[in-house]
Amino acid sequence: EVQLLESGGGLVQPGGSLRLSCTASGLIFRNYAMNWVRQTPGKGLEWVSGISGNGISTNYADFAKGRFTISRDNSKNMLYLQMNSLRVEDAAVYFCAKDQSTYSYGYFENWGQGTLVTVSS
Amino acid sequence: DTTLTQSPAFMSATPGDKVIISCKASQDIDDDVNWYQQKPGKAPLFIIQEASTLVPGIPPRFSGGGYGTDFTLTINNIESEDAAYYFCLQHDSFPLTFGQGTKVEIK
Repeated sequence: EVQLLESGGGLVQPGGSLRLSCTASGLIFRNYAMNWVRQTPGKGLEWVSGISGNGISTNYADFAKGRFTISRDNSKNMLYLQMNSLRVEDAAVYFCAKDQSTYSYGYFENWGQGTLVTVSS
Repeated sequence: DTTLTQSPAFMSATPGDKVIISCKASQDIDDDVNWYQQKPGKAPLFIIQEASTLVPGIPPRFSGGGYGTDFTLTINNIESEDAAYYFCLQHDSFPLTFGQGTKVEIK
């Protein structure tokens, strides 16, 4: 059974940084693209970023470009999201989501339970 | 960026009803639409891919249709357990974008 577990959320001041992690189990991790998706009551679901199975190809939402960095360590079955220059509007529940194949995007077959990021002074 | 506009934002249905949710894209996206169901406090569940293909394990009362810019999610003989938010997602181009969601309430 595929399991995804996010961690690293918390309270951070505007302008601060946070690193989210997602631990994956029950799958051959390198075989799947992975994504971060966030959710707020006001804006619903927003795709943040995706990374291919081998970690070479990455893509970002416009709001994440230049501030967020997605990465993965296939030897540890880990997915990361480094978030810098955080803004109040980045506050959300952040989910990691497994895609259907190595280079597919948007076929989110499995999701974690999410980690809450609060940005406030 | 491709904008997806869902309608209605909210609907109330009686068990046994047929429910249709619309998702309109701001540009032609072929059949590159997936649908997700989300219940309160839970992560989303993948239910429809490529506009009309049911994800394995999803009940056949769910179906999807459409091509180009207009897409629909249909729930036939809706059941109480189908109360949830439903979101469409386009994966035709980056950035991937979601519709704003439709809340389905069962009376």
